[in-house]
Amino acid sequence: NAGVTQTPKFQVLKTGQSMTLQCAQDMNHNSMYWYRQDPGMGLRLIYYSASEGTTDKGEVPNGYNVSRLNKREFSLRLESAAPSQTSVYFCASSEFRAGTYGYTFGSGTRLTVV
Amino acid sequence: GDSVTQMEGPVTLSEEAFLTINCTYTATGYPSLFWYVQYPGEGLQLLLKATKADDKGSNKGFEATYRKETTSFHLEKGSVQVSDSAVYFCALSSGTSYDKVIFGPGTSLSVIP
Repeated sequence: NAGVTQTPKFQVLKTGQSMTLQCAQDMNHNSMYWYRQDPGMGLRLIYYSASEGTTDKGEVPNGYNVSRLNKREFSLRLESAAPSQTSVYFCASSEFRAGTYGYTFGSGTRLTVV
Repeated sequence: GDSVTQMEGPVTLSEEAFLTINCTYTATGYPSLFWYVQYPGEGLQLLLKATKADDKGSNKGFEATYRKETTSFHLEKGSVQVSDSAVYFCALSSGTSYDKVIFGPGTSLSVIP
């Protein structure tokens, strides 16, 4: 089925470890986004890529890096994980402008940092 | 900056009851407004949207009207079902690029038979 695929679905890291969250979409969307979801805080934007070859910081970029590998794939890297990064991470894509067309979300990655 | 405020709940209703989830916003210019729904264990799905004042978005029996005078976008449904149990997020997008969406904290809804 067409959509946004995230891997892994669950991950436990020790403080200081690194990992990369993968995201791929097969809808030929131009824009891709990484959000984190924490209880009572809604979703907060970490990084986004408005088009292939560009990336920009969102509201909470510290401790993260991203790579727009090609039009389909947008990865999120934690270089040195901290307990404060325990969260559910969602990747999303949009055909053009998310504010006009809305997002398609992946099913999320639940990350625990101990 | 731009922001979204919504009742946090949890909201518990009996099946076939009327639902209202309040949402108000603060934004410069003329934002687009959205409601997203998140079912347990899943990602968010776009439920409905409105892009200009007085527009009414609707989908699956849910409705919301863009009220610029009260800066509100309340979600309503006339008769809820158990399958409507989910978390509902109000959101907006504004600015020159409309590339990003800002979400409210979400409202948890439980519908009991």
